[in-house]
Amino acid sequence: EAQVTQNPRYLITVTGKKLTVTCSQNMNHEYMSWYRQDPGLGLRQIYYSMNVEVTDKGDVPEGYKVSRKEKRNFPLILESPSPNQTSLYFCASSFRDNNQPQHFGDGTRLSIL
Amino acid sequence: GENVEQHPSTLSVQEGDSAVIKCTYSDSASNYFPWYKQELGKGPQLIIDIRSNVGEKKDQRIAVTLNKTAKHFSLHITETQPEDSAVYFCAALPGGSNYQLIWGAGTKLIIKP
Repeated sequence: EAQVTQNPRYLITVTGKKLTVTCSQNMNHEYMSWYRQDPGLGLRQIYYSMNVEVTDKGDVPEGYKVSRKEKRNFPLILESPSPNQTSLYFCASSFRDNNQPQHFGDGTRLSIL
Repeated sequence: GENVEQHPSTLSVQEGDSAVIKCTYSDSASNYFPWYKQELGKGPQLIIDIRSNVGEKKDQRIAVTLNKTAKHFSLHITETQPEDSAVYFCAALPGGSNYQLIWGAGTKLIIKP
């Protein structure tokens, strides 16, 4: 089954404790991206990757890191999480870019205390 | 840069009636306009999209219209059913970039039995 898998689905942690949210897709997609979703603000892009080893900042990259060492994986790293990063996070992928349908994971709800 | 406004934020309609959600955009060079449906606990899923060289597109009970002069596009759902209850997001792809969709804030659609 074609899918985007995020882990964990839920996480409660404390300020300053490094965490990684994993994202994996099995569709051989070149393009992957991370979004955060906050009430009333829709989806805001954090980082995106056009292919292996090629990443770029989205609209809200501060406090986040990403890497794309393999085509299927695109982890989101919070080196020193803060409460303002409490949010619902989505990973998405598409064949080439945003000019095609995006396939989303089911989300990761992060709470930073 | 591109800005997308979506209205209304909440829409409640009687089952069987039609629902219309409208989005306006600011970048006249935007060329791709997808609509996504997000069910509770899930990631957004593409339901229909339209490109700037087309004025209207239909898929069964769902249609999207685009008015490039006025810079707005709308989602029309006819004969609404309980399973249409969800949050709907519009988005626009600005001219000159295929990597960053700009999203509306979302509309919560409630279908009353």
